[in-house]
Amino acid sequence: GQNIDQPTEMTATEGAIVQINCTYQTSGFNGLFWYQQHAGEAPTFLSYNVLDGLEEKGRFSSFLSRSKGYSYLLLKELQMKDSASYLCAPMDSNYQLIWGAGTKLIIKP
Amino acid sequence: GAVVSQHPSWVICKSGTSVKIECRSLDFQATTMFWYRQFPKQSLMLMATSNEGSKATYEQGVEKDKFLINHASLTLSTLTVTSAHPEDSSFYICSARAGRVGIHEQYFGPGTRLTVT
Repeated sequence: GQNIDQPTEMTATEGAIVQINCTYQTSGFNGLFWYQQHAGEAPTFLSYNVLDGLEEKGRFSSFLSRSKGYSYLLLKELQMKDSASYLCAPMDSNYQLIWGAGTKLIIKP
Repeated sequence: GAVVSQHPSWVICKSGTSVKIECRSLDFQATTMFWYRQFPKQSLMLMATSNEGSKATYEQGVEKDKFLINHASLTLSTLTVTSAHPEDSSFYICSARAGRVGIHEQYFGPGTRLTVT
């Protein structure tokens, strides 16, 4: 079956760094997406990894290891507005995104 | 770029009535559009995938006669919830994919919150 495993909730301090881990199992693989979703809003695209390694985009970086079925999202210089849910969504062989429940990130001052 | 709009953003309707939700890609042509439903504190649930000019493909457990999807053009898809009931109250979100080779990102609309009384 297809499965995604992320921590349910994480707490971090403003200005700090946090890493959100994701392990996945899919039928085939065509890359992995990270989305941010604020409460009551639709997801917004953060990153897409299809090859192994680290992709850096400003304060956010995403890492992928296909052999381990593992990805992480790294958020630096945390701001209060980063409080949101972060969704790891691998794409299967049918180019279908597989969604988990996401990680709720709480930023404290 | 890659903006997707949805209308209405929220709607309240009486049980038994039908509601239509529009999803538009504003600055790109979306060969594929997706309709999701999300209940509070739960993950996104894909309801159906629609390709322009063809019938939508519904996920298992989603009633195609209740949730009518029309993808009439490369920039517009509609979801009609027919004979809505209180259990259909949810957050409905569409997303669109450009369909260009190598481009797989789905861009989401802002969502429509449906409340059935």
